[in-house]
Amino acid sequence: NAGVMQNPRHLVRRRGQEARLRCSPMKGHSHVYWYRQLPEEGLKFMVYLQKENIIDESGMPKERFSAEFPKEGPSILRIQQVVRGDSAAYFCASSTGQGGADTQYFGPGTRLTVL
Amino acid sequence: AQSVTQLDSQVPVFEEAPVELRCNYSSSVSVYLFWYVQYPNQGLQLLLKYLSGSTLVESINGFEAEFNKSQTSFHLRKPSVHISDTAEYFCAVSDRTNAGKSTFGDGTTLTVKP
Repeated sequence: NAGVMQNPRHLVRRRGQEARLRCSPMKGHSHVYWYRQLPEEGLKFMVYLQKENIIDESGMPKERFSAEFPKEGPSILRIQQVVRGDSAAYFCASSTGQGGADTQYFGPGTRLTVL
Repeated sequence: AQSVTQLDSQVPVFEEAPVELRCNYSSSVSVYLFWYVQYPNQGLQLLLKYLSGSTLVESINGFEAEFNKSQTSFHLRKPSVHISDTAEYFCAVSDRTNAGKSTFGDGTTLTVKP
């Protein structure tokens, strides 16, 4: 039973390039969450998606960041025109969507480095 | 809105000593409470969670946490730590009434020394 998969595990981009981070949830999970972890900090919520729907994007920066979870395929977090401050670990979690009590299962993360 | 405060950023202890990692939260609504562990270069793993019922919850590897509503705390304890417990520990809350996001503390790095 595969867990949450994220790829790539490490991503290096130059300022101004685009970064695409992928997340495949656990089998049977239809809810995906994205979090960002800056060095020496905890995880900060970015966005919560269900298949083909954005449920809560209150943690997403207003510009350059977008997320989708299509009917088929992985969830994608897209960062356009990356800047050095975007360097962080980005974690995806998935759940069955039973509400706040639902256990979120985390992927290993994608570590983005912006040069 | 919720917030989580982990009072200690670093906790060094010797092997077989007891440890307590402190967590306080604030919220205007009822919450569920979680502790996660993160080993280097890995994602977070759920350690234990409080949903309802008994205020003392236990994990399979000897950790326990007690929900104290009056003090809005959810401290994590282990009576005797091992070297393998060295990791970062995160306390988190989620809104009982609103599915979705969890709010995390900034983490406590537990270092167990021989």
